[in-house]
Amino acid sequence: AQSVAQPEDQVNVAEGNPLTVKCTYSVSGNPYLFWYVQYPNRGLQFLLKYITGDNLVKGSYGFEAEFNKSQTSFHLKKPSALVSDSALYFCAVREEEYSSASKIIFGSGTRLSIRP
Amino acid sequence: DAGVIQSPRHEVTEMGQEVTLRCKPISGHDYLFWYRQTMMRGLELLIYFNNNVPIDDSGMPEDRFSAKMPNASFSTLKIQPSEPRDSAVYFCASSLTTRREQFFGPGTRLTVL
Repeated sequence: AQSVAQPEDQVNVAEGNPLTVKCTYSVSGNPYLFWYVQYPNRGLQFLLKYITGDNLVKGSYGFEAEFNKSQTSFHLKKPSALVSDSALYFCAVREEEYSSASKIIFGSGTRLSIRP
Repeated sequence: DAGVIQSPRHEVTEMGQEVTLRCKPISGHDYLFWYRQTMMRGLELLIYFNNNVPIDDSGMPEDRFSAKMPNASFSTLKIQPSEPRDSAVYFCASSLTTRREQFFGPGTRLTVL
């Protein structure tokens, strides 16, 4: 069975510093990996995804994520944090399988707090 | 496109009442998902549809919950009777395929007194 873990409930970073939000996954085959962001009182917004190809994926708002197959990780990164990046971040995974029954699994979320 | 539309945005009801949440997915999206978000349990997938057909309802908490998708542009999630523990934010999302990103609506904040 597929699963995804976000080991940190909260990450605190000073503005201007690099940030990393961690995500690890478990699937039987090849994974499709996603990052979403949720601002207060809003629905989730798609940030980026990995399907195949380059291990470094670039997304919205200057975020990027690195797919590491050997470590089964897909950490979200940004070189220089902004206060406006403060939000709840979700990692999600689904298996690459040829079935309409396959579904996406979301992690528990990591609250990112950027201090001025 | 206006994105995924949900109504109402807020619902306050009393225990035992019927609650109906509504969702209009993005036109052309074949998949529709219903989620529930709480502080205690995080984001839970309740049910999802492919081309109006329910595919997986294993996340529906109990028989008090039901969901329908009578056509490609409309879905409902019904709770009857409602209980205080049903209080949560309910999200609807849609996507072209399960390999593509999901687009979430703004959510319905349900409070059951």
